Amino acid sequence: TQLLEQSPQFLSIQEGENLTVYCNSSSVFSSLQWYRQEPGEGPVLLVTVVTGGEVKKLKRLTFQFGDARKDSSLHITAAQTGDTGLYLCAPNTGNQFYFGTGTSLTVIP
Amino acid sequence: DTAVSQTPKYLVTQMGNDKSIKCEQNLGHDTMYWYKQDSKKFLKIMFSYNNKELIINETVPNRFSPKSPDKAHLNLHINSLELGDSAVYFCASSPLWSGGRTGELFFGEGSRLTVL
Repeated sequence: TQLLEQSPQFLSIQEGENLTVYCNSSSVFSSLQWYRQEPGEGPVLLVTVVTGGEVKKLKRLTFQFGDARKDSSLHITAAQTGDTGLYLCAPNTGNQFYFGTGTSLTVIP
Repeated sequence: DTAVSQTPKYLVTQMGNDKSIKCEQNLGHDTMYWYKQDSKKFLKIMFSYNNKELIINETVPNRFSPKSPDKAHLNLHINSLELGDSAVYFCASSPLWSGGRTGELFFGEGSRLTVL
């Protein structure tokens, strides 16, 4: 099982602030996914990044895959209360879906 | 219609009992999974089935036995429940991986198991 460290583990910010969360590994991945899990629900896919250095935007969320394809970041601009949830990264290794340790984000109104 | 559905959503039981959680997906996917999410929110894969065949079996006590009667169903049976089995169990499905294709996991809502 690969070890995928996510940081920070917990993050509590005011509405309107910006934030960045990280997903780091010592392994190289062909692609990586980000999921968000809201309280009481299962994780839902946000994005898949495939190419080293790739940047993808989803409204106020910006995802980047590291040049070496070992790490990724998620930046949220002007956070809203609806962004509250657990953010999980998961590398693609065939059909073996392992997840990172997660970042629990709380956006305070 | 719910894409991946699990039952029951909540399960409270005594130590030593045997219980089952059922999962069904109507997405036509070939691969299904069971994950365990502990109190620290760490999501850990337990099992994966591809078209009724077991393809991933992580280090899980043999008290846990998955059963896939067909590719749309993957049930989880747990014998002799222990306190440490308390967690949220998630079922998921994904399309068949085929070299270079990046699949997506579709999760159920989870089954919260509490062992007293």
